[in-house]
Amino acid sequence: DTGVSQNPRHKITKRGQNVTFRCDPISEHNRLYWYRQTLGQGPEFLTYFQNEAQLEKSRLLSDRFSAERPKGSFSTLEIQRTEQGDSAMYLCASSQNPGNTIYFGEGSWLTVV
Amino acid sequence: AQSVTQPDIHITVSEGASLELRCNYSYGATPYLFWYVQSPGQGLQLLLKYFSGDTLVQGIKGFEAEFKRSQSSFNLRKPSVHWSDAAEYFCAVDPSNTGNQFYFGTGTSLTVIP
Repeated sequence: DTGVSQNPRHKITKRGQNVTFRCDPISEHNRLYWYRQTLGQGPEFLTYFQNEAQLEKSRLLSDRFSAERPKGSFSTLEIQRTEQGDSAMYLCASSQNPGNTIYFGEGSWLTVV
Repeated sequence: AQSVTQPDIHITVSEGASLELRCNYSYGATPYLFWYVQSPGQGLQLLLKYFSGDTLVQGIKGFEAEFKRSQSSFNLRKPSVHWSDAAEYFCAVDPSNTGNQFYFGTGTSLTVIP
């Protein structure tokens, strides 16, 4: 069990550019979550997948954000036309069954300049 | 409004002293409850969780937490703090007990002085 893996760990991008983050969940975990965390705040829910199906999206997930989990394994989070307000840490988490504990990756830091 | 409240933004304790971090929630039913710890620039590590049963739960690193239904609280405790415990601590709830969404408090930053 290698844990939840996220990459890149850090990304600096210019405003208006697109960025993509990847998350590899713990093997055989069928649920995968994306959260966003800004400085001094707790993680805020963005979206989650049950296998390849995206079951819920937060209002925080604007049209510029898109998440996929095409084969029910790894997931990508893409942010288009980045804005300075997108600067945050993007956390991925996974769980084995509904209602079980979620395990987090180490996060991907995004800085938009 | 439904929420998770961690009233202490920052706490400083001496090494070897006891610790209690407060967490209150405002959801109708008893949610699943969690405590996570986060070191600077890192992800969140699970310390302990409460689903049902014994209201005093033991976790890793010598931490424990007590669920009090009457107070809607789930406070984290440690009898003797170590310098390595300095970190950010987050309380989290799963109000529907389904794993669909987890809500986090704003965190408590712990400083440990020698």
